[in-house]
Amino acid sequence: SAVISQKPSRDICQRGTSLTIQCQVDSQVTMMFWYRQQPGQSLTLIATANQGSEATYESGFVIDKFPISRPNLTFSTLTVSNMSPEDSSIYLCSVEVGHTPGHPFQETQYFGPGTRLLVL
Amino acid sequence: RKEVEQDPGPFNVPEGATVAFNCTYSNSASQSFFWYRQDCRKEPKLLMSVYSSGNEDGRFTAQLNRASQYISLLIRDSKLSDSATYLCVVNAGGTSYGKLTFGQGTILTVHP
Repeated sequence: SAVISQKPSRDICQRGTSLTIQCQVDSQVTMMFWYRQQPGQSLTLIATANQGSEATYESGFVIDKFPISRPNLTFSTLTVSNMSPEDSSIYLCSVEVGHTPGHPFQETQYFGPGTRLLVL
Repeated sequence: RKEVEQDPGPFNVPEGATVAFNCTYSNSASQSFFWYRQDCRKEPKLLMSVYSSGNEDGRFTAQLNRASQYISLLIRDSKLSDSATYLCVVNAGGTSYGKLTFGQGTILTVHP
Protein backbone atom coordinates (compact mmCIF):
# COMPACT_ATOMS: atom_id res chain seq x y z
CA SER A 1 0.00 0.00 0.00
CA ALA A 2 0.99 3.67 0.11
CA VAL A 3 0.57 6.51 2.55
CA ILE A 4 -0.80 9.57 0.79
CA SER A 5 -1.31 13.03 2.21
CA GLN A 6 -3.09 16.00 0.71
CA LYS A 7 -2.98 19.69 1.53
CA PRO A 8 -5.14 21.52 2.28
CA SER A 9 -7.69 19.16 3.74
CA ARG A 10 -10.42 21.71 3.12
CA ASP A 11 -10.83 25.29 1.96
CA ILE A 12 -13.46 27.89 1.31
CA CYS A 13 -12.67 30.12 -1.64
CA GLN A 14 -14.16 33.06 -3.46
CA ARG A 15 -15.24 32.68 -7.06
CA GLY A 16 -12.67 33.76 -9.58
CA THR A 17 -9.71 32.72 -7.45
CA SER A 18 -7.48 29.66 -7.81
CA LEU A 19 -6.48 26.94 -5.36
CA THR A 20 -3.53 24.58 -5.60
CA ILE A 21 -3.87 21.19 -3.97
CA GLN A 22 -0.80 19.18 -3.07
CA CYS A 23 -0.47 15.41 -3.01
CA GLN A 24 2.48 13.68 -1.38
CA VAL A 25 3.11 9.94 -1.32
CA ASP A 26 5.59 8.11 0.90
CA SER A 27 7.20 6.11 -1.90
CA GLN A 28 8.09 6.59 -5.53
CA VAL A 29 5.22 5.78 -7.84
CA THR A 30 4.96 5.92 -11.59
CA MET A 31 1.29 6.75 -11.90
CA MET A 32 -0.62 9.39 -9.98
CA PHE A 33 -4.17 10.41 -10.69
CA TRP A 34 -6.53 13.23 -9.78
CA TYR A 35 -10.23 12.61 -9.22
CA ARG A 36 -13.22 14.75 -8.42
CA GLN A 37 -16.18 13.69 -6.31
CA GLN A 38 -19.06 16.10 -6.52
CA PRO A 39 -21.67 16.15 -3.75
CA GLY A 40 -23.65 12.94 -3.69
CA GLN A 41 -21.79 11.56 -6.69
CA SER A 42 -19.15 8.96 -7.32
CA LEU A 43 -15.60 9.66 -8.40
CA THR A 44 -14.66 10.98 -11.84
CA LEU A 45 -11.11 10.92 -13.14
CA ILE A 46 -9.80 14.37 -14.05
CA ALA A 47 -6.34 13.48 -15.31
CA THR A 48 -3.32 11.26 -15.06
CA ALA A 49 -0.27 13.09 -13.74
CA ASN A 50 2.81 11.96 -15.65
CA GLN A 51 6.29 12.60 -14.33
CA GLY A 52 8.37 14.49 -16.86
CA SER A 53 5.56 15.16 -19.31
CA GLU A 54 2.21 16.88 -19.53
CA ALA A 55 -0.77 15.43 -17.73
CA THR A 56 -3.30 13.41 -19.69
CA TYR A 57 -6.80 14.84 -19.27
CA GLU A 58 -10.11 13.03 -19.49
CA SER A 59 -12.97 14.23 -21.61
CA GLY A 60 -14.55 17.32 -20.11
CA PHE A 61 -11.42 18.47 -18.29
CA VAL A 62 -8.84 20.88 -19.71
CA ILE A 63 -5.39 22.01 -18.71
CA ASP A 64 -6.32 25.68 -18.49
CA LYS A 65 -8.88 24.93 -15.83
CA PHE A 66 -7.00 22.16 -14.00
CA PRO A 67 -3.25 22.60 -14.50
CA ILE A 68 -1.25 19.77 -12.99
CA SER A 69 2.38 19.50 -12.03
CA ARG A 70 4.38 16.32 -11.40
CA PRO A 71 7.93 17.38 -10.57
CA ASN A 72 9.02 14.00 -9.18
CA LEU A 73 7.83 10.51 -8.40
CA THR A 74 6.40 11.33 -4.97
CA PHE A 75 4.58 14.63 -5.47
CA SER A 76 1.93 16.27 -7.62
CA THR A 77 -0.23 19.37 -7.55
CA LEU A 78 -3.63 20.13 -9.02
CA THR A 79 -4.76 23.71 -9.44
CA VAL A 80 -8.42 24.59 -9.72
CA SER A 81 -8.39 27.85 -11.66
CA ASN A 82 -10.86 30.69 -11.90
CA MET A 83 -13.21 28.87 -9.55
CA SER A 84 -16.99 28.97 -9.63
CA PRO A 85 -19.50 27.42 -7.22
CA GLU A 86 -19.77 24.44 -9.62
CA ASP A 87 -16.20 23.54 -8.69
CA SER A 88 -17.28 22.84 -5.12
CA SER A 89 -16.29 19.24 -4.70
CA ILE A 90 -13.88 16.84 -3.07
CA TYR A 91 -10.63 16.47 -4.99
CA LEU A 92 -8.68 13.28 -4.43
CA CYS A 93 -5.33 12.10 -5.64
CA SER A 94 -4.52 8.45 -6.02
CA VAL A 95 -1.48 6.36 -6.78
CA GLU A 96 -1.11 2.98 -8.40
CA VAL A 97 1.17 0.57 -6.62
CA GLY A 98 2.35 -2.91 -7.28
CA HIS A 99 0.45 -5.69 -8.84
CA THR A 100 -0.79 -8.97 -7.56
CA PRO A 101 1.38 -11.93 -8.57
CA GLY A 102 -0.47 -14.15 -10.97
CA HIS A 103 -2.98 -11.46 -11.79
CA PRO A 104 -1.65 -9.15 -14.52
CA PHE A 105 -3.34 -5.79 -14.85
CA GLN A 106 -4.48 -6.04 -11.26
CA GLU A 107 -2.57 -2.99 -10.08
CA THR A 108 -4.27 -1.32 -7.18
CA GLN A 109 -4.97 2.34 -6.60
CA TYR A 110 -4.89 3.96 -3.19
CA PHE A 111 -6.47 7.30 -2.46
CA GLY A 112 -5.44 10.31 -0.46
CA PRO A 113 -7.82 11.71 2.16
CA GLY A 114 -9.18 14.32 -0.24
CA THR A 115 -9.47 18.09 -0.28
CA ARG A 116 -12.93 19.49 0.38
CA LEU A 117 -13.42 22.66 -1.60
CA LEU A 118 -16.32 25.07 -1.22
CA VAL A 119 -16.53 27.97 -3.64
CA LEU A 120 -18.75 30.87 -2.66
CA ARG B 1 -25.71 3.39 -20.79
CA LYS B 2 -23.34 4.09 -17.90
CA GLU B 3 -19.95 2.42 -18.06
CA VAL B 4 -20.41 0.93 -14.62
CA GLU B 5 -23.88 0.51 -13.15
CA GLN B 6 -24.85 -0.39 -9.63
CA ASP B 7 -28.09 -0.59 -7.73
CA PRO B 8 -27.80 2.54 -5.53
CA GLY B 9 -29.92 1.04 -2.76
CA PRO B 10 -30.06 1.95 0.00
CA PHE B 11 -29.92 -1.49 1.51
CA ASN B 12 -31.04 -1.61 5.13
CA VAL B 13 -30.32 -4.95 6.77
CA PRO B 14 -30.16 -6.26 10.34
CA GLU B 15 -26.95 -7.43 11.91
CA GLY B 16 -26.12 -10.97 10.87
CA ALA B 17 -27.89 -10.74 7.53
CA THR B 18 -26.38 -11.70 4.21
CA VAL B 19 -26.51 -9.03 1.53
CA ALA B 20 -25.47 -9.08 -2.11
CA PHE B 21 -24.56 -6.20 -4.40
CA ASN B 22 -24.51 -6.40 -8.16
CA CYS B 23 -22.69 -4.39 -10.77
CA THR B 24 -22.55 -4.45 -14.56
CA TYR B 25 -19.97 -2.89 -16.84
CA SER B 26 -20.24 -1.97 -20.50
CA ASN B 27 -16.65 -2.24 -21.76
CA SER B 28 -16.01 -5.86 -22.66
CA ALA B 29 -12.27 -5.11 -22.88
CA SER B 30 -12.10 -4.22 -19.18
CA GLN B 31 -9.14 -5.85 -17.51
CA SER B 32 -9.45 -5.56 -13.78
CA PHE B 33 -12.19 -5.17 -11.26
CA PHE B 34 -12.45 -4.02 -7.68
CA TRP B 35 -14.80 -3.30 -4.85
CA TYR B 36 -13.99 -0.20 -2.84
CA ARG B 37 -15.65 0.92 0.36
CA GLN B 38 -16.26 4.57 1.17
CA ASP B 39 -17.27 5.71 4.60
CA CYS B 40 -19.05 9.01 5.07
CA ARG B 41 -16.70 11.95 4.44
CA LYS B 42 -13.75 9.64 3.84
CA GLU B 43 -11.77 8.54 0.82
CA PRO B 44 -12.51 5.24 -0.94
CA LYS B 45 -10.55 2.30 0.38
CA LEU B 46 -9.90 -0.93 -1.44
CA LEU B 47 -12.07 -3.71 -0.09
CA MET B 48 -11.01 -6.41 -2.48
CA SER B 49 -9.93 -7.12 -6.01
CA VAL B 50 -12.15 -9.34 -8.09
CA TYR B 51 -10.60 -12.20 -10.00
CA SER B 52 -12.09 -14.35 -12.73
CA SER B 53 -12.00 -17.37 -10.49
CA GLY B 54 -13.88 -15.54 -7.76
CA ASN B 55 -12.31 -14.79 -4.44
CA GLU B 56 -13.18 -14.69 -0.78
CA ASP B 57 -11.83 -12.64 2.09
CA GLY B 58 -13.42 -13.54 5.40
CA ARG B 59 -17.09 -12.60 5.25
CA PHE B 60 -16.74 -11.07 1.78
CA THR B 61 -16.99 -12.96 -1.49
CA ALA B 62 -16.54 -11.38 -4.92
CA GLN B 63 -17.50 -12.95 -8.21
CA LEU B 64 -16.81 -11.94 -11.79
CA ASN B 65 -18.71 -13.15 -14.85
CA ARG B 66 -16.91 -11.84 -17.92
CA ALA B 67 -19.44 -13.30 -20.36
CA SER B 68 -22.27 -11.37 -18.71
CA GLN B 69 -20.03 -8.42 -17.74
CA TYR B 70 -21.27 -8.73 -14.22
CA ILE B 71 -19.58 -8.37 -10.83
CA SER B 72 -21.01 -9.21 -7.45
CA LEU B 73 -20.13 -8.75 -3.80
CA LEU B 74 -21.61 -10.91 -1.07
CA ILE B 75 -21.35 -9.93 2.58
CA ARG B 76 -22.18 -12.59 5.13
CA ASP B 77 -22.96 -12.07 8.81
CA SER B 78 -23.25 -8.30 8.41
CA LYS B 79 -21.78 -6.10 11.14
CA LEU B 80 -22.75 -2.59 12.12
CA SER B 81 -19.29 -1.54 10.94
CA ASP B 82 -20.11 -2.71 7.40
CA SER B 83 -22.38 0.33 6.97
CA ALA B 84 -20.82 2.31 4.14
CA THR B 85 -21.08 2.97 0.42
CA TYR B 86 -19.71 0.16 -1.73
CA LEU B 87 -18.21 1.19 -5.04
CA CYS B 88 -17.85 -1.13 -8.01
CA VAL B 89 -14.74 -0.12 -9.92
CA VAL B 90 -13.44 -1.20 -13.31
CA ASN B 91 -10.08 -0.64 -14.98
CA ALA B 92 -10.27 -0.75 -18.76
CA GLY B 93 -6.57 -1.37 -19.23
CA GLY B 94 -5.00 -1.03 -22.66
CA THR B 95 -4.86 2.60 -23.80
CA SER B 96 -6.93 3.50 -20.73
CA TYR B 97 -4.32 1.95 -18.48
CA GLY B 98 -4.76 3.10 -14.91
CA LYS B 99 -8.08 4.78 -15.54
CA LEU B 100 -10.59 3.61 -12.97
CA THR B 101 -14.27 3.96 -13.72
CA PHE B 102 -16.50 4.06 -10.67
CA GLY B 103 -20.08 3.02 -10.28
CA GLN B 104 -22.43 5.31 -8.42
CA GLY B 105 -22.09 3.25 -5.29
CA THR B 106 -24.48 1.15 -3.24
CA ILE B 107 -25.37 2.42 0.21
CA LEU B 108 -25.53 -0.20 2.94
CA THR B 109 -26.89 0.42 6.41
CA VAL B 110 -26.66 -2.38 8.95
CA HIS B 111 -28.90 -1.87 11.97
CA PRO B 112 -29.04 -3.61 15.35
